[in-house]
Amino acid sequence: AQSVTQPDIHITVSEGASLELRCNYSYGATPYLFWYVQSPGQGLQLLLKYFSGDTLVQGIKGFEAEFKRSQSSFNLRKPSVHWSDAAEYFCAVGGETNAGKSTFGDGTTLTVKP
Amino acid sequence: EAQVTQNPRYLITVTGKKLTVTCSQNMNHEYMSWYRQDPGLGLRQIYYSMNVEVTDKGDVPEGYKVSRKEKRNFPLILESPSPNQTSLYFCASSPGQINQPQHFGDGTRLSIL
Repeated sequence: AQSVTQPDIHITVSEGASLELRCNYSYGATPYLFWYVQSPGQGLQLLLKYFSGDTLVQGIKGFEAEFKRSQSSFNLRKPSVHWSDAAEYFCAVGGETNAGKSTFGDGTTLTVKP
Repeated sequence: EAQVTQNPRYLITVTGKKLTVTCSQNMNHEYMSWYRQDPGLGLRQIYYSMNVEVTDKGDVPEGYKVSRKEKRNFPLILESPSPNQTSLYFCASSPGQINQPQHFGDGTRLSIL
């Protein structure tokens, strides 16, 4: 069975500080990994995705994520957080096994202090 | 504008009264899916559809039905709603290739009393 774990329920950082949100996955084959962001009252928006190739992927809004197969991780990073980054962040996994099934983590809520 | 549209956005109803949440996408996407979001539980997949007339169960299908008679529409049906189905529901679509990200609607908040 596939699964995603986001160990941090809530993270608070100061504006301008760096950010790392953790994501660990379990998947029986090559995973397809995604990070989405959800602002209050909104649907989810894609930040970035990984399927193959370069393990460091760049996304929108200055975010990047690194795929580490040996650690089953896909952590999201941003060098300098802006107040507008305050939102809930979801990691998700899918793939060719059970194509169509998508599994999301429980989410990490980011608070940005001025 | 490319979008996934859900209706209604908010609904308060009573136990046992059948309801349908509609979902429509204008991107000619093959894949559509329904999720429910509950505090602390992230998004859990209810049903998904890889194409017209093809639907499959997700992780939490009990108490729900879906149909996919046309590519653009994927309604979620609660035949006999119960209070434990009070939740925030999202519909999503993607072009169909499994490596494509999903486009999400703005959500439907259901309260079942």
